[in-house]
Amino acid sequence: DAGVIQSPRHEVTEMGQEVTLRCKPISGHNSLFWYRQTMMRGLELLIYFNNNVPIDDSGMPEDRFSAKMPNASFSTLKIQPSEPRDSAVYFCASSFRPGLAGGSSYNEQFFGPGTRLTVL
Amino acid sequence: EDQVTQSPEALRLQEGESSSLNCSYTVSGLRGLFWYRQDPGKGPEFLFTLYSAGEEKEKERLKATLTKKESFLHITAPKPEDSATYLCAVQVGGFQKLVFGTGTRLLVSP
Repeated sequence: DAGVIQSPRHEVTEMGQEVTLRCKPISGHNSLFWYRQTMMRGLELLIYFNNNVPIDDSGMPEDRFSAKMPNASFSTLKIQPSEPRDSAVYFCASSFRPGLAGGSSYNEQFFGPGTRLTVL
Repeated sequence: EDQVTQSPEALRLQEGESSSLNCSYTVSGLRGLFWYRQDPGKGPEFLFTLYSAGEEKEKERLKATLTKKESFLHITAPKPEDSATYLCAVQVGGFQKLVFGTGTRLLVSP
């Protein structure tokens, strides 16, 4: 099992440039999460998808951030235009969420290795 | 607002010196509490899920416990390889959203 795959692992860009981060979840998982981690704020949920549909994007900082999940095996997080305060490590995670019959349930989230983004 | 607070921020132990990490939370409608381990340069790795007060789970030298207001991660006779950042998170609401604490950085010296 390859686990969650993220690319690139490191990204250095200049302010104002567009940045696209990519994620391939674990095969068979139906939930995908994008997180951002900084020293000041820790690990914050940005957005998550269930069955390729965005469920909660309340953590997305502002309109400069957008995320898509065109199919069950691929997701992108885009920042346009990027700013120095976007510098952080961005993690993608996936999990399998059973159906809602009988109430909600939770399965552990598996995290990717992260993308370290530096905006100069 | 849902909040998770971990203490201490950092902890240094000698090998074999047992201790506990604390995670206190104020949330509306706790659905579960989770512990993760994170090594430098890597993503968090799942350790435990606790769902109700009084529940305990163990894995090797780690034991997690849960009360109505806090959780403890007990480390018994730690080894240098236990050095990592330990993150606590709570699940709120009916979906899988997790709110994380800022973590405890643990360093175990030989």
